[in-house]
Amino acid sequence: DAKTTQPNSMESNEEEPVHLPCNHSTISGTDYIHWYRQLPSQGPEYVIHGLTSNVNNRMASLAIAEDRKSSTLILHRATLRDAAVYYCILLNSNSGYALNFGKGTSLLVTP
Amino acid sequence: DGGITQSPKYLFRKEGQNVTLSCEQNLNHDAMYWYRQDPGQGLRLIYYSQIVNDFQKGDIAEGYSVSREKKESFPLTVTSAQKNPTAFYLCASRASGDYNEQFFGPGTRLTVL
Repeated sequence: DAKTTQPNSMESNEEEPVHLPCNHSTISGTDYIHWYRQLPSQGPEYVIHGLTSNVNNRMASLAIAEDRKSSTLILHRATLRDAAVYYCILLNSNSGYALNFGKGTSLLVTP
Repeated sequence: DGGITQSPKYLFRKEGQNVTLSCEQNLNHDAMYWYRQDPGQGLRLIYYSQIVNDFQKGDIAEGYSVSREKKESFPLTVTSAQKNPTAFYLCASRASGDYNEQFFGPGTRLTVL
């Protein structure tokens, strides 16, 4: 399975934009890039996903490099409620589209 | 409200006892999943089911068993053969179709004494 690499932790000030990077140099043509986040003691929550083009939704934006070997999750204005562990996951049909979680990036948001 | 429920939230068992964790969804999803999370780690796949009466082993299935007799329910049994059962267990479901998002339950924290 293709793997992803994320920084262990990042810090942001409240109401500032946050750019969370993810490297996936061995991505295959059929892998979708998914992002989930997990608040303490809760189940993960879907954030966004994409294949080749940049994507926007109400929660975030996803910028995908032209060669697809990296991507960036963008939170436009961080709030205290955005403090969570963010997981970048490459999803394909293996194991019934099960998610292959790494350790993710722990985002700290300070007032 | 549609969603996934897991019960109980906290569970304590003595070593050597089997224990069954409940997972119910009313989202009409075909696929369901069980994951395990240890402190400071990401989730690991235990079992998954893409349709009623069918399920497949994930990466760490040893010491666990599941059943899928109803679309809404996917219970997980942690058997005495599981060497380190203390963990946070999460259930998820997904609608049919490629690459759809997974919806997670609130989790069950199992502690074996």
